[in-house]
Amino acid sequence: EAQVTQNPRYLITVTGKKLTVTCSQNMNHEYMSWYRQDPGLGLRQIYYSMNVEVTDKGDVPEGYKVSRKEKRNFPLILESPSPNQTSLYFCASTMWAGLNEQFFGPGTRLTVL
Amino acid sequence: AQTVTQSQPEMSVQEAETVTLSCTYDTSESDYYLFWYKQPPSRQMILVIRQEAYKQQNATENRFSVNFQKAAKSFSLKISDSQLGDAAMYFCPFNTGNQFYFGTGTSLTVIP
Repeated sequence: EAQVTQNPRYLITVTGKKLTVTCSQNMNHEYMSWYRQDPGLGLRQIYYSMNVEVTDKGDVPEGYKVSRKEKRNFPLILESPSPNQTSLYFCASTMWAGLNEQFFGPGTRLTVL
Repeated sequence: AQTVTQSQPEMSVQEAETVTLSCTYDTSESDYYLFWYKQPPSRQMILVIRQEAYKQQNATENRFSVNFQKAAKSFSLKISDSQLGDAAMYFCPFNTGNQFYFGTGTSLTVIP
């Protein structure tokens, strides 16, 4: 089944404790992206990657890191999480940006205390 | 700056009736792509419809159609014969320069 998977689905952590949210797709997509969704703010793009080893900042990259060492994986790293990073996070993939449909993961609910 | 404005935070429609969700955007780019996605309570994002900015003909997908007014930078979504399963949050992102820009969404309630 074609899908984007994220882990964990739910995470409660404390300020400053490094964490990684994994994202994997099995559709051989070139483009992958991370979003955060907050009430009243909609979705905002954090980082995106057009290909292996190519990553670019979205609108809200501060406090996040990403890497794209393999085509299928695009982990999101929070080196020192803070409460303002409490959010719902989505990973998405598509063949290329443009008119292609983005396929979204199920979301990761992160709470930083 | 690239922005999307969805001025209706909440909308409601009677089952079987028609509703229009508004969306305006701002970009100085001439080449971009427009979408509508729905997000039901399951939180899964589902593509509803899409349109290339250089195509004047409005896209249609079954009960869903758009009214694309490029000069006004408007991209509204019309849902005909509304069904209970249409109840969701609706977003109208656009893509340009490899980035995606989303609005704040419109929450649609379908009344039986």
